[in-house]
Amino acid sequence: DQQVKQNSPSLSVQEGRISILNCDYTNSMFDYFLWYKKYPAEGPTFLISISSIKDKNEDGRFTVFLNKSAKHLSLHIVPSQPGDSAVYFCAASARETGANNLFFGTGTRLTVIP
Amino acid sequence: EAGVAQSPRYKIIEKRQSVAFWCNPISGHATLYWYQQILGQGPKLLIQFQNNGVVDDSQLPKDRFSAERLKGVDSTLKIQPAKLEDSAVYLCASSARYEQYFGPGTRLTVT
Repeated sequence: DQQVKQNSPSLSVQEGRISILNCDYTNSMFDYFLWYKKYPAEGPTFLISISSIKDKNEDGRFTVFLNKSAKHLSLHIVPSQPGDSAVYFCAASARETGANNLFFGTGTRLTVIP
Repeated sequence: EAGVAQSPRYKIIEKRQSVAFWCNPISGHATLYWYQQILGQGPKLLIQFQNNGVVDDSQLPKDRFSAERLKGVDSTLKIQPAKLEDSAVYLCASSARYEQYFGPGTRLTVT
């Protein structure tokens, strides 16, 4: 049973425009959410995270929004750059339970067109 | 700061053979994880260590997979015997708190 879902396998955006990647989760125990970026032949790289006590976290061009009632989060990249082209994974954990294992979505491949 | 190191980067074996992967976490990180990533899917946790003790191995197929973390630093993951469905990228990650940092992975192909 997939507890974290990324329903868009791919997304193409023009350079300079906004990229919006979406993620849904089903487990109400999840209280910490992360986004990872993955280039080919490399491991996932931590990008940004958000705790369930917040609804927004911003780091430079990257902003993550969390809507707990809808069990939905999104990653906004503004402005998008060609170097942002990669696979983006959404992940979640239930820290309050004492566990820190991550549950990952299936990823969204972002292509930023120059 | 050096990242998570893994070896080998690639391995091709025949089914029923055995294989071992090695991981060296970021210095000072107490928690170490092994994930399996099958093509087209997200990483799935196999086992989690806190220092040299196992925290969670509920998703580890224990009839063929084993892992150890001696002295609370390096870790090895072994598959014996391998099956075709074990073809995947095996990722090692480590953490000091909540963010996990991943190594480059080992791509295993079982023929």
